[in-house]
Amino acid sequence: QKEVEQDPGPLSVPEGAIVSLNCTYSNSAFQYFMWYRQYSRKGPELLMYTYSSGNKEDGRFTAQVDKSSKYISLFIRDSQPSDSATYLCASTLAGGTSYGKLTFGQGTILTVHP
Amino acid sequence: GAGVSQTPSNKVTEKGKYVELRCDPISGHTALYWYRQSLGQGPEFLIYFQGTGAADDSGLPNDRFFAVRPEGSVSTLKIQRTERGDSAVYLCASSSGPDEKLFFGSGTQLSVL
Repeated sequence: QKEVEQDPGPLSVPEGAIVSLNCTYSNSAFQYFMWYRQYSRKGPELLMYTYSSGNKEDGRFTAQVDKSSKYISLFIRDSQPSDSATYLCASTLAGGTSYGKLTFGQGTILTVHP
Repeated sequence: GAGVSQTPSNKVTEKGKYVELRCDPISGHTALYWYRQSLGQGPEFLIYFQGTGAADDSGLPNDRFFAVRPEGSVSTLKIQRTERGDSAVYLCASSSGPDEKLFFGSGTQLSVL
């Protein structure tokens, strides 16, 4: 079993829809949780990161972490065709030298069609 | 440059050959990471440099893989006796410190025939 599990999709939604992306993790030691967006033939780009359980909002994006159930979510409101990409969840241990040693999920391929 | 630069963008080699992949991090970034991304999978950690030294190489799959960063800037990932299973995108990332945001390059697509 992988430490971070993510449904690979693909997910196809119409423009303007609310998108929900989810991951589960198994390592209780994970402290930081991130969402990356990856366009085709590009490297991952950090969208959101959270440290504790709860919600964090940034524009159309909301990241949610529930440490009790080991569940990570990303919500995209008013989705746009430019949001079409692969979305990767990632987790890591506490700070210091372990911070950049990320454990990624498989990635969910999202297509937003006009 | 403005971002992390990786060269070449594509590398095709034959089984058993030796390859070198280069990463130019963002200027001034002290932390540098190598990841490997197989088709349809998320990136997997390979090695982390803080300055010139490898602080964590626990992700290197075997002794055919080796990475250096002799002057604390450019890094080279070296793969000996390549195998078809080594085919993947090799991503490099850098950050301004061990607790800071990672910036990824576009990767080198390695194909071993």
